[in-house]
Amino acid sequence: EVVLTQSPGTLSLSPGERATLSCRASQSVNSKYLVWYQQKPGQAPSVVIYGASNRAAGIPDRFSGSGSGTDFTLTISRLEPEDFAVYYCQQSGSSPGYTFGQGTKLEIK
Amino acid sequence: EVKVVESGGGLVQPGGSLRLSCAASGFNVIRNHMTWVRQAPGKGLEWVSVINSDGSTHYGDSVKGRFTISRDTFKSTVDLQMSGLRSEDTARYYCARVPDTYYYYGMDVWGQGTTVTVAS
Repeated sequence: EVVLTQSPGTLSLSPGERATLSCRASQSVNSKYLVWYQQKPGQAPSVVIYGASNRAAGIPDRFSGSGSGTDFTLTISRLEPEDFAVYYCQQSGSSPGYTFGQGTKLEIK
Repeated sequence: EVKVVESGGGLVQPGGSLRLSCAASGFNVIRNHMTWVRQAPGKGLEWVSVINSDGSTHYGDSVKGRFTISRDTFKSTVDLQMSGLRSEDTARYYCARVPDTYYYYGMDVWGQGTTVTVAS
């Protein structure tokens, strides 16, 4: 079973700054099956990045994803107030189910 | 409009049973993989179960043997029958769609969830 470990647990930044979120897998993951979600308080998650590096529809280009194998990164180039949320990485394909990371809370400093 | 709406949550005693339902509209559940994901209060997301487009089912280790997922293609619903409930099953339960496509787009349609509380 693949375990996804996200870091940091909490990231405190100011609007306009750059955010770098990490997702590390316990074994190699096919990047085709690596997704990042954003969840705001009281809302369901929504897809930000799929296939490790592809922005979902409507996601602004300040969001980017990268990585392969066991190390994946979500980068937000210049934070906007609406970007502060919890972000989860998730993988599929290595087993019949799905695995989520524990999440990174991106909070306003 | 493509959407899913969950129902059936509530308060149940430890050891009890509950059946959640996910009503899909705007798409065909048989042509997609349908999942349940839960989120305990203040915690992260945990995948619970999936029923694939081919009808195969899979479960997370924490619910295996206690939960059963099924679908009704005529009603366009996906149900989660939960039994042997424990306090650690207390969570908001989300239904989510995974398109059955060559490319994996993730869980692209989510409901607002239904809350299950297991307590005496």
